[in-house]
Amino acid sequence: ETGVTQTPRHLVMGMTNKKSLKCEQHLGHNAMYWYKQSAKKPLELMFVYNFKEQTENNSVPSRFSPECPNSSHLFLHLHTLQPEDSALYLCASSQGLAEPYEQYFGPGTRLTVT
Amino acid sequence: GQNIDQPTEMTATEGAIVQINCTYQTSGFNGLFWYQQHAGEAPTFLSYNVLDGLEEKGRFSSFLSRSKGYSYLLLKELQMKDSASYLCAVKDSNYQLIWGAGTKLIIKP
Repeated sequence: ETGVTQTPRHLVMGMTNKKSLKCEQHLGHNAMYWYKQSAKKPLELMFVYNFKEQTENNSVPSRFSPECPNSSHLFLHLHTLQPEDSALYLCASSQGLAEPYEQYFGPGTRLTVT
Repeated sequence: GQNIDQPTEMTATEGAIVQINCTYQTSGFNGLFWYQQHAGEAPTFLSYNVLDGLEEKGRFSSFLSRSKGYSYLLLKELQMKDSASYLCAVKDSNYQLIWGAGTKLIIKP
């Protein structure tokens, strides 16, 4: 495996379900990110981890819970979601937080909440 | 507040040149990035500008004017595979990327 991988690629869940999204990076990077991408809207940064420590939580509802067990893996635990949470969830990694490190993205998980 | 503006959609002809503009207002500036995103795929990095001027990379060039809060991405010799969304993003004083909504570029034969 190379780059950034995400599983599952597609997920349909009811509002009462609990599920988890998984991200793994094979680039030796130190920073990892969760983004939400909705149609025709800018990417919304949700969480940032640097050396396994959470550095940013951009006012994300508590129904989204991140976990970063090591620098290579990142999870997003989901529970009691709302239909407006349906979106593409992208994971990214970078060598560090400061410039000029670009972010490398995974293919995303297309989430549908019914 | 922080804001990145770019056109929603542009159309160009195969073989031609197109310029995608981006204007920004952010709290601090630590560089501007351009990414390409094909439909249903992940964004991929195209270019980075932190100093004023033009950065050229093959058929793609990116320009930055920090005093004007302005950048553009120039695509030359357009190919059908260049049909994609182009995302402009600025790293602010907290080193967070602030993203534009993207410009969907449609290439016609």
